[in-house]
Amino acid sequence: QVTLKESGPALVKPTQTLTLTCTFSGFSLMSTGMRVSWIRQPPGKALEWLARIDWDDDKFYSTSLKARLTISKDTSKNQVVLRMTNMDPVDTATYYCARTIEYFDYWGQGYLVTVSS
Amino acid sequence: ETVLTQSPGTLSLSPGETATLSCRASQSVTSNYVAWYQQKPGQAPKLLIYGASSRATGIPDRFSGSGSGTDFTLTISRLEPEDFAVYHCQQYGRSSYTYAFGRGTRLEIK
Repeated sequence: QVTLKESGPALVKPTQTLTLTCTFSGFSLMSTGMRVSWIRQPPGKALEWLARIDWDDDKFYSTSLKARLTISKDTSKNQVVLRMTNMDPVDTATYYCARTIEYFDYWGQGYLVTVSS
Repeated sequence: ETVLTQSPGTLSLSPGETATLSCRASQSVTSNYVAWYQQKPGQAPKLLIYGASSRATGIPDRFSGSGSGTDFTLTISRLEPEDFAVYHCQQYGRSSYTYAFGRGTRLEIK
């Protein structure tokens, strides 16, 4: 059974760096072809893909947010970490991690992050 | 990057009717890389269709996907009360290694 769960701070201040952790089970990021992405959704708005990390440690980022994002993995802990710098109120959103192929077949429950002073 | 435009923004139908949701891409996309998701309030999106027309595991055959090039369609036949939700289309850009989502279509009970 594949599961993913996001965790991190629920509230961050403007200009701070957000660090989110995705803890997963039911698959291994050491297995060929496995990938995990981060996706976010501001309240009432569209989904936005942020970043992806692959089993071979290849990393890919949203063009518009690339300068602010870093994705990494800890295969021993079955975790993927996303860092987003210089947070702004417009970054308030529910952040999801998802197992990734050319689509997203398993999703975490989502984690609401609010950016406010 | 490819922009996906979903229409209509909101679709009002009654149970038992057929819903036809559209997703148009700003440039031609590979059918293998088009997916559809259902999202209910307070929940994560759920994969319905991948590869433009393949149903994900456990998805009833009332849901079907079709299309090619720039125009893709999700059809939901014999609408059930649990089908009323927001539907998102998604595309993977193989050359850019990026993913795009449409803005969603809200399917509401008439």
